[in-house]
Amino acid sequence: ETGVTQSPTHLIKTRGQQVTLRCSSQSGHNTVSWYQQALGQGPQFIFQYYREEENGRGNFPPRFSGLQFPNYSSELNVNALELDDSALYLCASSLASSGGDFRLPEDLTEAFFGQGTRLTVV
Amino acid sequence: QKEVEQNSGPLSVPEGAIASLNCTYSDRGSQSFFWYRQYSGKSPELIMSIYSNGDKEDGRFTAQLNKASQYVSLLIRDSQPSDSATYLCAVNENAGNMLTFGGGTRLMVKP
Repeated sequence: ETGVTQSPTHLIKTRGQQVTLRCSSQSGHNTVSWYQQALGQGPQFIFQYYREEENGRGNFPPRFSGLQFPNYSSELNVNALELDDSALYLCASSLASSGGDFRLPEDLTEAFFGQGTRLTVV
Repeated sequence: QKEVEQNSGPLSVPEGAIASLNCTYSDRGSQSFFWYRQYSGKSPELIMSIYSNGDKEDGRFTAQLNKASQYVSLLIRDSQPSDSATYLCAVNENAGNMLTFGGGTRLMVKP
């Protein structure tokens, strides 16, 4: 158990709909990252939140958006769902000891993943 | 385009043998390297992290890093059937924002 919890665990949506996925980070962790993992592939970085602000983004369109709350929990929102959005969505939490300018390995602890949300778009 | 490459496998080893998993990466600026284990239908679980050239041992696991060759490996000694899983190599360029994952190597340990 990593202490990172995600909800829901499974979800089925129709193309064009919107979805919100939720993540509670490990106690004491202040940084949350979201990843998309398609079947048979490695996880792909979507974005990271640190102190309620986006702190880096991967190659995903703007219809993927997120939030981080004062308690460091986070949401991933996806608008206008497409069939290719079907995947396992993973949340990972870490503890950052610097001001968000992560330059050294010790500035950020290892990332621990939640159990994931399996999203199916039909 | 930063890339992390792994042989997809499957890598099949007999129980009790040493399993050797390899990973190469393209970005010379990479600073942090991780191995995750992922059972089918589950999320990745952190096994090892390594930041400096050389070997790092933790129980039956040894991570090896060679930054000059842009190569990181994971050795699993005394492999057990319960080690059968997909092993993901992940690389972090600037110690922060994003992990770049390889596609994973599927390991099968046969009793």
